[in-house]
Amino acid sequence: DTAVSQTPKYLVTQMGNDKSIKCEQNLGHDTMYWYKQDSKKFLKIMFSYNNKELIINETVPNRFSPKSPDKAHLNLHINSLELGDSAVYFCASSQAVGGETQYFGPGTRLLVL
Amino acid sequence: SQQGEEDPQALSIQEGENATMNCSYKTSINNLQWYRQNSGRGLVHLILIRSNEREKHSGRLRVTLDTSKKSSSLLITASRAADTASYFCATGGSSNTGKLIFGQGTTLQVKP
Repeated sequence: DTAVSQTPKYLVTQMGNDKSIKCEQNLGHDTMYWYKQDSKKFLKIMFSYNNKELIINETVPNRFSPKSPDKAHLNLHINSLELGDSAVYFCASSQAVGGETQYFGPGTRLLVL
Repeated sequence: SQQGEEDPQALSIQEGENATMNCSYKTSINNLQWYRQNSGRGLVHLILIRSNEREKHSGRLRVTLDTSKKSSSLLITASRAADTASYFCATGGSSNTGKLIFGQGTTLQVKP
């Protein structure tokens, strides 16, 4: 009965590869987010979608492409992985756009070698 | 750009003591929230205070907000070993996009 789930939990890959991280929420929320947390624990928003529509698109390399097949899912695809992409990626959801409380997934720890 | 700065960066106390963490921010806000992150886990929402509120309580948590100083504090009373975690403040702006800007967090260690 996990509210916000992410797969995989750990991802180790070589530079230049393409990888995807999946996120699903069963809370019935309309809005989903992707955050990146670096090694210093600094957490920064990357994208948000509301009911499959892109709402927030921060200054993120275009190697990162979010995809929302439906409002319960927001996946993150990363092309041509670089060493600097190593981080923990968190998915979150809120009831609506502008919804204040966000519910976070457990994170995906990405290590690019 | 980073919005909040938290102080102290790390705090170590004995069980039963109170823990106070501070957060400062730069721009106008609609609300300020506090989240907890246990090691290796996602963030958990603790409490939200709106820009027109000055103080809010939830169980052992007390949050204050001073918009004139652009600062907030989180007080955890009668701390427990299970409170050991990182605590982040996050500000919600007036754009109504749901965008939260996080501070760098305070790492709290509560010794049994």
